[in-house]
Amino acid sequence: LAKTTQPISMDSYEGQEVNITCSHNNIATNDYITWYQQFPSQGPRFIIQGYKTKVTNEVASLFIPADRKSSTLSLPRVSLSDTAVYYCLVGEPNFNKFYFGSGTKLNVKP
Amino acid sequence: EPEVTQTPSHQVTQMGQEVILRCVPISNHLYFYWYRQILGQKVEFLVSFYNNEISEKSEIFDDQFSVERPDGSNFTLKIRSTKLEDSAMYFCASSERGTGQYFGPGTRLTVT
Repeated sequence: LAKTTQPISMDSYEGQEVNITCSHNNIATNDYITWYQQFPSQGPRFIIQGYKTKVTNEVASLFIPADRKSSTLSLPRVSLSDTAVYYCLVGEPNFNKFYFGSGTKLNVKP
Repeated sequence: EPEVTQTPSHQVTQMGQEVILRCVPISNHLYFYWYRQILGQKVEFLVSFYNNEISEKSEIFDDQFSVERPDGSNFTLKIRSTKLEDSAMYFCASSERGTGQYFGPGTRLTVT
């Protein structure tokens, strides 16, 4: 599985757009990129998954450049309830195992 | 929206006892997983299960652990002889073919 690197923490204010970037330089051809959100004492929550270019759902957008060596999770107009840890994972669609890194702790301030 | 459910939400047990953690995956999902998260640490993969057999397991998943899908809906994790260091949140997850994994709310296991 490709190793990922994310910032340890980020601060933002309510109403701002937040972009969290993940590096995955050794991503393989069959690998997809998946982002999860985790609140304290809760299970990780699937946010979005993509292979290339741009994916958007009701919660977030995922931008993947042509070389796929990085990806950016974009959260529009964050609120206090978006304060959580965000994980970027890379692997084949039928992942048999996920290795979670330390994630990015997003702190949204009023 | 369909959800993965887990029971119990909190289990307290004495060292050396056996525990069974239960999960009901999303009904049309085919792949099942167990993870654990020790307080303040990363989420760690334990095991994946597909077509009624283990497909992958980590070095954490030693002989004291076992998984089973006893019927069409439940997926269980058994810890045979619990140790203090087994205290953690245990998360079950499930997925369809080719999608992200959906996690349950977790069972907090406390071994005393």
